[in-house]
Amino acid sequence: GENVEQHPSTLSVQEGDSAVIKCTYSDSASNYFPWYKQELGKRPQLIIDIRSNVGEKKDQRIAVTLNKTAKHFSLHITETQPEDSAVYFCAASIGTGGSYIPTFGRGTSLIVHP
Amino acid sequence: EAGVTQSPTHLIKTRGQQATLRCSPISGHTSVYWYQQALGLGLQFLLWYDEGEERNRGNFPPRFSGRQFPNYSSELNVNALELEDSALYLCASSLFSGGYEQYFGPGTRLTVT
Repeated sequence: GENVEQHPSTLSVQEGDSAVIKCTYSDSASNYFPWYKQELGKRPQLIIDIRSNVGEKKDQRIAVTLNKTAKHFSLHITETQPEDSAVYFCAASIGTGGSYIPTFGRGTSLIVHP
Repeated sequence: EAGVTQSPTHLIKTRGQQATLRCSPISGHTSVYWYQQALGLGLQFLLWYDEGEERNRGNFPPRFSGRQFPNYSSELNVNALELEDSALYLCASSLFSGGYEQYFGPGTRLTVT
């Protein structure tokens, strides 16, 4: 089955700095890669996703890049703010044949210091 | 639009008992997914229901089961509870079978003593 590795487990930055979280996956058939943000005590929320026919996607201060050859994808957050502090999860999934099962990374705790 | 709801918020059981957790998807969503979020382990896929049928299950023992009702709500049953079943159980829904975007509920915190 799919295996997703996520690094780092903890990331501490100063407000205004950039943050990068990286994930690798094992199954080359995976074609959908969402990122979720989970604030303390709250539900995970989809913040951005990318599909395998796209190399990069941006949404304001966040961006995701995908390298299918190397089987890794990354989340980039620019101009970090204290409200970006949360646990971020990446996932990889095969969305074909009606069998969509995402495999999640273990999460990165991002701490943004004011 | 109301989001995914789950009940109860917290559930405390003793080892060997059974637990029942409930989930109501976003209106119009037909697929429901269940995940276990244990501390430090991320989200582990448990079960996927669509149109009333179990479509797939994760690497969990058979004492984890569930069902989906005609109104697309779902329940997760955990029999013969063990201490390691203590975790946050999250439900998510998507618009259609195999839908990419999943929307999560607030979760049920299950504590087994």
